[in-house]
Amino acid sequence: TQLLEQSPQFLSIQEGENLTVYCNSSSVFSSLQWYRQEPGEGPVLLVTVVTGGEVKKLKRLTFQFGDARKDSSLHITAAQPGDTGLYLCAGSTLYNFNKFYFGSGTKLNVKP
Amino acid sequence: DAGVIQSPRHEVTEMGQEVTLRCKPISGHDYLFWYRQTMMRGLELLIYFNNNVPIDDSGMPEDRFSAKMPNASFSTLKIQPSEPRDSAVYFCASSQGLKGTQYFGPGTRLLVL
Repeated sequence: TQLLEQSPQFLSIQEGENLTVYCNSSSVFSSLQWYRQEPGEGPVLLVTVVTGGEVKKLKRLTFQFGDARKDSSLHITAAQPGDTGLYLCAGSTLYNFNKFYFGSGTKLNVKP
Repeated sequence: DAGVIQSPRHEVTEMGQEVTLRCKPISGHDYLFWYRQTMMRGLELLIYFNNNVPIDDSGMPEDRFSAKMPNASFSTLKIQPSEPRDSAVYFCASSQGLKGTQYFGPGTRLLVL
C-alpha cells in the first residue's frame, strides 16, 4: 500500500482539454511536491507546497494543497502535447520529516 | 553545470553477477539520494547521504544491496549477487540541504536475466 495514492493512474486527452489529477493520503504532510517525469529521464520538480490551503500557479498549471495537508491536486488548463509525462507527488510526513515518499504517479498523454 | 551524472545508462546482466551503479552529484550539493523505480512499487527511496555519510538506509531491500560515498563527487550502489527482481530503473539525486530541490540524474535501467 502506497502512502500517497494518485488518481487517475492513466489519462489520455485531446490537446486543449482541461484535467485534474489527485494525490491523497491518510497521513498529514509537512510539505508536498509535484514532479513531472518524461520517458528515459529523471523526475523534475514543478512545485513545493507547504501551507494547508495553499494554491500555486505555474503558467497553465495550478497546484492546491488541502486544508488538512493530507491531499493535493494538480489542474492543467488547455493541455498541450508537451504536458505529456508521468506526474508524481511526493511528501514528507510530520512524524518522519526526513523521509520522502513518492506516489505511484499519473501517466498523462495529450494527443495533438 | 552538467547536472547529476549516472553511469551506465543501461545494464544487462545475468542473475548472480555483481552490478555497480555510479553517480556524480551536482557540485556543492551536500545530500545524495538513491532511488529505485518499478511499475509495481513506483519510486522508492533506498538510501541517502549527507556530507558523504549514510543517514537513512532503511529503504535498502536487503543485504545484497550496499551503497558508498567515498567523496563529495562520487557514489556507488552495488548489488551482489543480483536477482531478476532487482530489474528496475535506479536514480541518483542530489540537493543542497535536506529540503532543497532534488535534482535527478537520467537513471540506470537495469535488467537482470
